[in-house]
Amino acid sequence: EDQVTQSPEALRLQEGESSSLNCSYTVSGLRGLFWYRQDPGKGPEFLFTLYSAGEEKEKERLKATLTKKESFLHITAPKPEDSATYLCAVLSSGGYQKVTFGTGTKLQVIP
Amino acid sequence: DAGITQSPRHKVTETGTPVTLRCHQTENHRYMYWYRQDPGHGLRLIHYSYGVKDTDKGEVSDGYSVSRSKTEDFLLTLESATSSQTSVYFCAINGGVGTEAFFGQGTRLTVV
Repeated sequence: EDQVTQSPEALRLQEGESSSLNCSYTVSGLRGLFWYRQDPGKGPEFLFTLYSAGEEKEKERLKATLTKKESFLHITAPKPEDSATYLCAVLSSGGYQKVTFGTGTKLQVIP
Repeated sequence: DAGITQSPRHKVTETGTPVTLRCHQTENHRYMYWYRQDPGHGLRLIHYSYGVKDTDKGEVSDGYSVSRSKTEDFLLTLESATSSQTSVYFCAINGGVGTEAFFGQGTRLTVV
């Protein structure tokens, strides 16, 4: 059974204090790993897709990396507007579009 | 923003009543999905569709049915709502396997 574990569950940072969120996964054949951002009361918003170990993608203050067992979302010099829940999801080589989501890391950036 | 509209946005219903949630897209994407999101759980797939009249079950499909008679509309029906189906329901779409999904704003359903 595919599993996705995100840590920490919650993270509180001062504005400008860089940190990383972790997504560990166990999957039968990784076809892709996704990062989403979710604001309260809204649907998840796509950030990145990573397909193979060693791949990296960046967008503004966010950088996502992937190894064979985990992915990191690095946040550099965060701002209050980066406060949100960040979700990780993996697509496995199941018989359908089998995407397994983690429970998320709730990030709060304090001015 | 991807053109996905969910309706209603909020609903309170009584145990045992049927409920239908609607997802409408303007992107002409092939794949549509219904997820539920509960505290302590990640988003969990209820049903998905890979084309008009082509649907399949996800991991938590018991008590739910779906229909897709047009590319743009995907309906989720709770045949007889139970309190365990109180949740936030999200519709999502994507254009193909391995591509990113775009989510609707969600429907908060409360079964009393």
